[in-house]
Amino acid sequence: DAGVIQSPRHEVTEMGQEVTLRCKPISGHNSLFWYRQTMMRGLELLIYFNNNVPIDDSGMPEDRFSAKMPNASFSTLKIQPSEPRDSAVYFCASTLLGSSTDTQYFGPGTRLTVL
Amino acid sequence: QKEVEQDPGPLSVPEGAIVSLNCTYSNSAFQYFMWYRQYSRKGPELLMYTYSSGNKEDGRFTAQVDKSSKYISLFIRDSQPSDSATYLCAMTVGSQGNLIFGKGTKLSVKP
Repeated sequence: DAGVIQSPRHEVTEMGQEVTLRCKPISGHNSLFWYRQTMMRGLELLIYFNNNVPIDDSGMPEDRFSAKMPNASFSTLKIQPSEPRDSAVYFCASTLLGSSTDTQYFGPGTRLTVL
Repeated sequence: QKEVEQDPGPLSVPEGAIVSLNCTYSNSAFQYFMWYRQYSRKGPELLMYTYSSGNKEDGRFTAQVDKSSKYISLFIRDSQPSDSATYLCAMTVGSQGNLIFGKGTKLSVKP
């Protein structure tokens, strides 16, 4: 299995621009998570989906952030408009909830820099 | 008070040393406790998974949970340079859907 795939791996953009991050979970997994990691705040859960339905989006910082999961093999996290404080590494993770270990498998992350 | 507290380090030890990494937490409802290892510029990967209190051993790694003290530990025996990474504790009440992470401790094992 290829693991969780994220694209792009690096993104540099200017303040005010729209940013779209993409994630392909592991085939057969039923839950997907978006995290943001910064030095100041560590790893924070933004939103998670179960069977393509958003379950908890309480971590989404504000209306500028939105996430979708149109099918079991694809999810996007969009920031519009982007701000310098959004600079962070964004991780996607997937798991098979209800299995014996419920292990979350993380992707390699997208390093976002907003100038 | 943050739900999960973890000393960020950095922690530097010589090869072969025993390493002790710790987290404290405030939510007594946490039942599942995990340790993730994150190499530089990579995503976290699960290292140890423990339910409730007690010890769990896997090779050179031992995870301990003391729910009465709200304290968890990860011990690494005979540490190797390849163990150099950031170690994050994580915990949840009953579902992987709401993992709360510590900020991570950066470990460096010198040859």
